[in-house]
Amino acid sequence: DAGITQSPRHKVTETGTPVTLRCHQTENHRYMYWYRQDPGHGLRLIHYSYGVKDTDKGEVSDGYSVSRSKTEDFLLTLESATSSQTSVYFCAISDSLYNEQFFGPGTRLTVL
Amino acid sequence: AQSVTQLDSQVPVFEEAPVELRCNYSSSVSVYLFWYVQYPNQGLQLLLKYLSGSTLVKGINGFEAEFNKSQTSFHLRKPSVHISDTAEYFCAVTGNNDMRFGAGTRLTVKP
Repeated sequence: DAGITQSPRHKVTETGTPVTLRCHQTENHRYMYWYRQDPGHGLRLIHYSYGVKDTDKGEVSDGYSVSRSKTEDFLLTLESATSSQTSVYFCAISDSLYNEQFFGPGTRLTVL
Repeated sequence: AQSVTQLDSQVPVFEEAPVELRCNYSSSVSVYLFWYVQYPNQGLQLLLKYLSGSTLVKGINGFEAEFNKSQTSFHLRKPSVHISDTAEYFCAVTGNNDMRFGAGTRLTVKP
């Protein structure tokens, strides 16, 4: 299995609080991605990174920010969580933008 | 922007029967196509991919898919399914700095 970990694995928080999710890889892959998974929508890309400090927006980036200060870590921040951000969040990595992605185990976030 | 449509949200099938999960895409550029499988409470894992070359692609666990450029389809097939194939399957397309997943098809294999 590709070395990808996500923390925390489960989190319950309240509306309006900041939340940071962490993705850590040991594969030295250039590309890292954050997705959210919701019933009926499949996976939707939030942000992705193509190198240290290089990031770009995905399909559903509003309300989210990301940072990548090291190759191995990619952080997703919800500055002020809303109930609509209740979801399962997956991190993924790849060595190329157009090749297969390897997924982490997911983080289940509940915003009350 | 690209888009992916998985034509069936749920597919029930009996064990040892054949199955086809349908995927259509739209894109104005050359694309790369993937099928992923997700077992309960797990992340996604790659079943197979089409990057170039032969349009018939074979993947893990006996699955295969055929890229049809004229019909913009990438349907997934298996000639004989097992109980253990029960999972959710996602079609995905990448190209032109964009990547999209379909909404998923839940395959349920019944004994």
